[in-house]
This record gives sequence, C-alpha cells and structure tokens, in this order.
Amino acid sequence: DAMVIQNPRYQVTQFGKPVTLSCSQTLNHNVMYWYQQKSSQAPKLLFHYYDKDFNNEADTPDNFQSRRPNTSFCFLDIRSPGLGDAAMYLCATSPGDQETQYFGPGTRLLVL
Amino acid sequence: GQQLNQSPQSMFIQEGEDVSMNCTSSSIFNTWLWYKQDPGEGPVLLIALYKAGELTSNGRLTAQFGITRKDSFLNISASIPSDVGIYFCAGPRIQGAQKLVFGQGTRLTINP
Repeated sequence: DAMVIQNPRYQVTQFGKPVTLSCSQTLNHNVMYWYQQKSSQAPKLLFHYYDKDFNNEADTPDNFQSRRPNTSFCFLDIRSPGLGDAAMYLCATSPGDQETQYFGPGTRLLVL
Repeated sequence: GQQLNQSPQSMFIQEGEDVSMNCTSSSIFNTWLWYKQDPGEGPVLLIALYKAGELTSNGRLTAQFGITRKDSFLNISASIPSDVGIYFCAGPRIQGAQKLVFGQGTRLTINP
C-alpha cells in the first residue's frame, strides 16, 4: 500500500545532542512537510519542500533544518535539542496539484 | 490571517449516540478537510470536500461543505469506542499555496 513512513516512532535524545528524524513516502508526491505537534494542539508547520524547493516558515527556529535528497525521503535535523523541543513530529505529503495532505504516524521525541 | 474555529472543543457521549461538530471561519475556504487523530498516531484523512454545498459520506461519517464556504460540519452516527480521538478540520491557507490551516480540534470521549 502507498504510504508515508516515519522512523523511528520514538526517539530519545539528550539536551543539546543533535538528532535526525526520517520520513519516506511511496506515494510519489511532489510536496513533503514537517510539522511539530505538542500535546492537544493542532500540528504546527515547520517547513515544506515542493520538489527540491525549500520553504521555511517565518517562525521556525534556526535549530531546525531539513534535507530532501530525493523524491522519496525527507529528514528533519534538530541541531541542539532543548527541553521545549520535546513533541510529536509529523511528516506529511501532498501531490502538489491539490491541497489534501497525507500524514505519517509521527515520531515522538523525548529530550532528557 | 485565516483561522478555523472548531466547536465544541470536547465532547463526552455514550456509545451509540450521534455526534455533530463544526468548523467555522471568517474567511472563505475552497476546500475543507476532516482528519481524525488517535493517541500517539498521525492524523488520518476522513473526508475531503471540494465544492460548496457538497455532502459526502464515509461509512458512519458525513461531512458537508457549507454553502457560504465559511463553514463545514462533521457528523458521526451510532458512535462506537474506536471513534475516540481528536478530530481536526483543515483548509488551505491560500488557494494553491500547499499549506493548511487547522482548527483547534474536537476531542471525543465515549463512555461504553
């Protein structure tokens, strides 16, 4: 089945220790998104790629970076995680010719 | 900017009851999306609405795109325990911008 895959599902890191979260898709969608979601809140968009074009949200901290080496994969790098970065991180994809987005299962990040 | 207001914020119902929730905005939306999020998982698309006045069903779920294009509602008939979760409405920030704005969510709790 075509899908959005996120690994790992749970990630524990130490304060200040860089961490990378992964997302892959078999939908062949042009657009890939990274969201941060904190408890009981709506997802908050960090950035997205339309093909290779990177689009950063104005309020996304510099601590968050992203890479999209090819159509299928997209990575979220947190350079120096703080306690406030503990959250669920959601990857989503979209075909690009419509607004509907399809989400992965998420990676829950814990910062110790 | 565009905002989506969902109500109610939470619902506590008995199994078997029908559920109704809605999403309103002061801005016009050309697409309405309804997602369900289970605890610890990513949002799953339930229904997508693309035309004013459209009424679409997905099993026990029914959603309508308001005729003014400023609201949408989601109904669940004969609720069952697996309906528990948070329901989000969403719509494109700007037509063709590939970004969504989300409502605050409606948390549904079902007493067996």
